[in-house]
Amino acid sequence: AQTVTQSQPEMSVQEAETVTLSCTYDTSESNYYLFWYKQPPSRQMILVIRQEAYKQQNATENRFSVNFQKAAKSFSLKISDSQLGDTAMYFCAFITHSGAGSYQLTFGKGTKLSVIP
Amino acid sequence: DTGVSQNPRHKITKRGQNVTFRCDPISEHNRLYWYRQTLGQGPEFLTYFQNEAQLEKSRLLSDRFSAERPKGSFSTLEIQRTEQGDSAMYLCASSLFPLVYEQYFGPGTRLTVT
Repeated sequence: AQTVTQSQPEMSVQEAETVTLSCTYDTSESNYYLFWYKQPPSRQMILVIRQEAYKQQNATENRFSVNFQKAAKSFSLKISDSQLGDTAMYFCAFITHSGAGSYQLTFGKGTKLSVIP
Repeated sequence: DTGVSQNPRHKITKRGQNVTFRCDPISEHNRLYWYRQTLGQGPEFLTYFQNEAQLEKSRLLSDRFSAERPKGSFSTLEIQRTEQGDSAMYLCASSLFPLVYEQYFGPGTRLTVT
């Protein structure tokens, strides 16, 4: 079974500080895509960052960057200069390629991040 | 690009009633996905469409659930004879496959079965 584990149910960070959210996954496939999604309170889920498994270079998107360790099946998200608007649930996910080619997303249970003024 | 929209945003129904949700994907997107998210959990895959064809259904999708995507545009998800266990957020997402793999989500429909 393909699984995603987020071991930190809740985290908090002071405004302007840096925080790292952890994610590990398990898959037998060698080619896949990893994502971090953000779900603010009562708002829709939005894509934060994506990483192709075949790329060794870690993805970066403004204040968001990842540390992708393929051998360890680890995909952590670092948020620099945290802002109040970063308060949200963060979900780690990856694309699984079923026999039918659905490319369905498999999600972790999420990490609730609170940015403290 | 107006994004993915879903209606209604909230639905309260009594056990045993039927409910229907609608999803309008991003206009040029050919793939449309339905997920279910319960409290404290990440979304779980239910089913997906490639244009108008429903190509896969999760084991989570019991016989009481049915989804359609006529003409490959909007999609509907119907739940018959609702049960309290159906209470959840139902999320729709779309993507432009195979050009991009990321999926864009709508705001969801929160279903409460009393």
